[in-house]
Amino acid sequence: QKEVEQDPGPLSVPEGAIVSLNCTYSNSAFQYFMWYRQYSRKGPELLMYTYSSGNKEDGRFTAQVDKSSKYISLFIRDSQPSDSATYLCAMSGAGGSYIPTFGRGTSLIVHP
Amino acid sequence: DGGITQSPKYLFRKEGQNVTLSCEQNLNHDAMYWYRQDPGQGLRLIYYSQIVNDFQKGDIAEGYSVSREKKESFPLTVTSAQKNPTAFYLCASRLTRGQGTYTQYFGPGTRLTVL
Repeated sequence: QKEVEQDPGPLSVPEGAIVSLNCTYSNSAFQYFMWYRQYSRKGPELLMYTYSSGNKEDGRFTAQVDKSSKYISLFIRDSQPSDSATYLCAMSGAGGSYIPTFGRGTSLIVHP
Repeated sequence: DGGITQSPKYLFRKEGQNVTLSCEQNLNHDAMYWYRQDPGQGLRLIYYSQIVNDFQKGDIAEGYSVSREKKESFPLTVTSAQKNPTAFYLCASRLTRGQGTYTQYFGPGTRLTVL
């Protein structure tokens, strides 16, 4: 079992839909959780980051962490065609080098 | 503007050649990283450095070498010993002090193709 599991998709939704992207993990030492957006042939762009459990909202994006279930989610409200990209989850433990473990990414397609 | 730059954007290499990928950052970050991204495999760590003149191997260091002579620069050399070097290479950096020190920021990437 990989440390971080992420469904590669593709996930295809109509414009305006609410999108739910998810990752599960097995390492209970993970405390820091990040979501990156990566457009084709570009570097990943940090979208959101959270520490420990709970929700964090930023505009149309909400990140949710459930440490008891080892499950994190990214919700996108009112999805737009410009949201079409690959979304990578990443997580790391505390201290040391903070080297994150990445999911393989979920490809999202928002069609007009 | 602060950020991470990688050059070149595209690089073509003949078999048996060494090539060097550039990564520069002006974010005043201490830590820098090199990743390789292949389709369907996610990001794999090649090398990382948390301070000038010091670096550590990542999960797939064989066939690669790095140097860290300046805080701003972390070049990656892909040697002829790397058997399958065609990939998208990403450089990242991280602030090691203060808030948000666990988050990495990425450059735009270099796509290396072996001919």
